[in-house]
Amino acid sequence: QVQLQESGPGLVKPSESLSLTCTVSAGSFTNNFYWGWIRQPAGKGLEWIGRIYPTGGTDYNPSLRSRVTISIDTSKNQISLKLISVTGADSAIYYCARGGHCRGGSCYSPWGQGTPVTVSS
Amino acid sequence: EIVLTQSPGTLSLSPGERATLSCRASQSLDNLYLAWYQQRPGQAPRLLVYATSSRATGIADRFSGSGSGTDFTLTISRLEPEDFAVYYCQTYERSSAVFSFGPGTKVEIK
Repeated sequence: QVQLQESGPGLVKPSESLSLTCTVSAGSFTNNFYWGWIRQPAGKGLEWIGRIYPTGGTDYNPSLRSRVTISIDTSKNQISLKLISVTGADSAIYYCARGGHCRGGSCYSPWGQGTPVTVSS
Repeated sequence: EIVLTQSPGTLSLSPGERATLSCRASQSLDNLYLAWYQQRPGQAPRLLVYATSSRATGIADRFSGSGSGTDFTLTISRLEPEDFAVYYCQTYERSSAVFSFGPGTKVEIK
């Protein structure tokens, strides 16, 4: 069973950049799947941030596209998220998840446990 | 952009009762691109149903999904204590390669 673990600084100052890493269990990167980032502000719903294929191809939420970059390092079994110019609205739990493991290929499973990020000075 | 709305916002039921959760899309969906997730307090979401009606691995058969076009339903036939949680529907817009989630329905103990 593939396992995912998010990590990164829990506190980021406004206007700075947020960088998170998702480490995936070895051997999980195949061309059949992609990897996504989803976030959830405290007490609110889920917001899709973007996804990346093992080949490096990406898709982003149009509302975040100008500020987000997702990258992948298959040698380290890691997916990374960078979000620039953060504000308090970017405070959330950030999840990484594997995508494509279902008929139609548009679902996410499993998910990491999530990592909380607070944007505050 | 496809917008998903879920109703009701909160569903108050007792264990053993049947729960019917609705997800409505702003435009017609391909049935392949509708999924449901469960999120228990303090936990990450978990995939329940994909492609409208296919249960994910390990999901109890009391969970079932149905629907077509713009109207989709998740039914929990008999609520167990562990089913009290928040449920999200999710879709994928192939033309723009964008995913979106509904706002969620909370199923709480009455």
